[in-house]
Amino acid sequence: EVQLVESGGGLVLPGGSLRLSCPASGFIFSSQWMTWVRQAPGKGLEWVANINQDGSDKYYADSVRGRFTVSRDNAKNSLYLQMNSLRDEDTAMYYCATYSDSGGWFDPWGQGTLVTVSS
Amino acid sequence: DIQMTQSPSSVSASVGGRVTISCRASQGIGTFLAWYQQKPGKAPKLLVYLASVLQSGVPSRFSGSGSGTDFTLTISSLQPEDFAIYYCQQANSFPLTFGPGTKVDIK
Repeated sequence: EVQLVESGGGLVLPGGSLRLSCPASGFIFSSQWMTWVRQAPGKGLEWVANINQDGSDKYYADSVRGRFTVSRDNAKNSLYLQMNSLRDEDTAMYYCATYSDSGGWFDPWGQGTLVTVSS
Repeated sequence: DIQMTQSPSSVSASVGGRVTISCRASQGIGTFLAWYQQKPGKAPKLLVYLASVLQSGVPSRFSGSGSGTDFTLTISSLQPEDFAIYYCQQANSFPLTFGPGTKVDIK
């Protein structure tokens, strides 16, 4: 069974940093593109970042480029999102998911971890 | 960036009824479109990819169609477990973008 379990969310002050983790199991992690998607409370879905199989190719939403960094450790079957210079508008549930590079869909998704940026 | 719109923003329907949700891309995306279902407090679930391919395990009452800029998700006979928010997502180019969602609730 494929499992993605996000962790690392919490309450952080504006301007602060947080690192999200997403350990994966049930599939060959090193063969899969991965993605982060977020959802502000009561709002829709927003794609955040993608990373290819060996971490050499990354894509970011304009809203996070230069502040967020996606990375992975294939030896640990884990995906990460380093979030710096956090803003109020970064408050959201953050989901990790596998990304199909043959058609661009996300499946499956983790259960999400909540990041709250507030003073 | 490719903008995605959905209509209607919400729809009320009865169990057993038929629901059609439209999704439009601001430019052509071929068939690089996916549909997701999200229930309260849960992660989204993939229903359809490549515009019309049903994900394994998804009931056949769900179907997707379209290409280019106009797409449709149809639920042929609504079941109680189908009341949720539905999102489309374009996968033609980065940044990947979602539609704003369509809420399907009970009439």
